[in-house]
Amino acid sequence: DAGVTQSPTHLIKTRGQQVTLRCSPKSGHDTVSWYQQALGQGPQFIFQYYEEEERQRGNFPDRFSGHQFPNYSSELNVNALWLGDSALYLCASSYGTNNEQFFGPGTRLTVL
Amino acid sequence: SQKIEQNSEALNIQEGKTATLTCNYTNYSPAYLQWYRQDPGRGPVFLLLIRENEKEKRKERLKVTFDTTLKQSLFHITASQPADSATYLCALSTDSWGKLQFGAGTQVVVTP
Repeated sequence: DAGVTQSPTHLIKTRGQQVTLRCSPKSGHDTVSWYQQALGQGPQFIFQYYEEEERQRGNFPDRFSGHQFPNYSSELNVNALWLGDSALYLCASSYGTNNEQFFGPGTRLTVL
Repeated sequence: SQKIEQNSEALNIQEGKTATLTCNYTNYSPAYLQWYRQDPGRGPVFLLLIRENEKEKRKERLKVTFDTTLKQSLFHITASQPADSATYLCALSTDSWGKLQFGAGTQVVVTP
């Protein structure tokens, strides 16, 4: 079992550009959550997908959107990037109401 | 406003001693609380979960307590080892769907 995988590992973009990050959940997991972690801070909840629908959303603008596919993998899209979006983006998967979450290694996004 | 506070100062401890970390929260009624370990540049790794109706949980050298009256959780690492050096994150959830609110984490450094 490969666990949670994310791609790409690192990404450099310029302000105003758009980015798509990808996540494959742990085998058997049906729920994917996305978090943003700034340097020295704890992860901040962006949103959660279950059965291909956004089930919960944190305090992030509409520039952040996502998608979940029938195979439970997920994408995070960020439009109109600005410098403050530079962070480690983490994907976590879980199953049902088993609240233990398995995190991927993250995608380090740098916006110049 | 809602806050989750962890000691921002690094905890330096000698090998073999017990490390005790604190997580305090305000304006939350958590259904459960989790502790994660995070190494530099990696995603968090789940350690322990404790529910609102539980007082204490143990797993090997780890122990967590949960006091909903004091709005506080304590996390103990007994017989600490240099390999325990990492940042430890406290996370709360107010529902069973898994949206986690994280503290900023406390860095633990165990010296031989």
